[in-house]
Amino acid sequence: QKEVEQNSGPLSVPEGAIASLNCTYSDRGSQSFFWYRQYSGKSPELIMSIYSNGDKEDGRFTAQLNKASQYVSLLIRDSQPSDSATYLCAVNLSSASKIIFGSGTRLSIRP
Amino acid sequence: SAVISQKPSRDICQRGTSLTIQCQVDSQVTMMFWYRQQPGQSLTLIATANQGSEATYESGFVIDKFPISRPNLTFSTLTVSNMSPEDSSIYLCSVVPSGPHTDTQYFGPGTRLTVL
Repeated sequence: QKEVEQNSGPLSVPEGAIASLNCTYSDRGSQSFFWYRQYSGKSPELIMSIYSNGDKEDGRFTAQLNKASQYVSLLIRDSQPSDSATYLCAVNLSSASKIIFGSGTRLSIRP
Repeated sequence: SAVISQKPSRDICQRGTSLTIQCQVDSQVTMMFWYRQQPGQSLTLIATANQGSEATYESGFVIDKFPISRPNLTFSTLTVSNMSPEDSSIYLCSVVPSGPHTDTQYFGPGTRLTVL
């Protein structure tokens, strides 16, 4: 089992709809969870971090964490074409000072 | 978050040569990391750059191939030695700024390396 798993996509969502991105992780001791957005040819950009169970909202983005199910998700409301990118889920390793990245989900917002 | 710069932004190199990539941060940071991202792939951690001591390498990466320096809290270099076409990749440095969250990483703009 991979340490951090994501559906590679592509996930195609119509403009204005809600995009839902999912991630599971294997380390039950993980405490920190991150979502990065990466446009083609650019470096990853941190968009959300979450540390507690439940929802965390920032503008059109909502991160959801369920530690019991080892599941973290990112919702993007009112999706825009500019949201088209690869979204990387990252999780800290409880045994070391580093984070592990998933393989990323490619999101495409169609006008 | 910290402002991170990398030099060069891109380079084309001949096989067998070496390239040193620089990462500069505008403020002191607690941790610095070097990643590789091969075409169409996710990020792979090469090593943690430790200030004043030898870097900590991940499985599959060795110091002879990827020597790393971190002379102070704002600067690090990664050298890709004896390059082959398989080293063609984007190399990224990331930092953890001082602050309450000790594992939140921010990435530099990356160095796109092509080896012929």
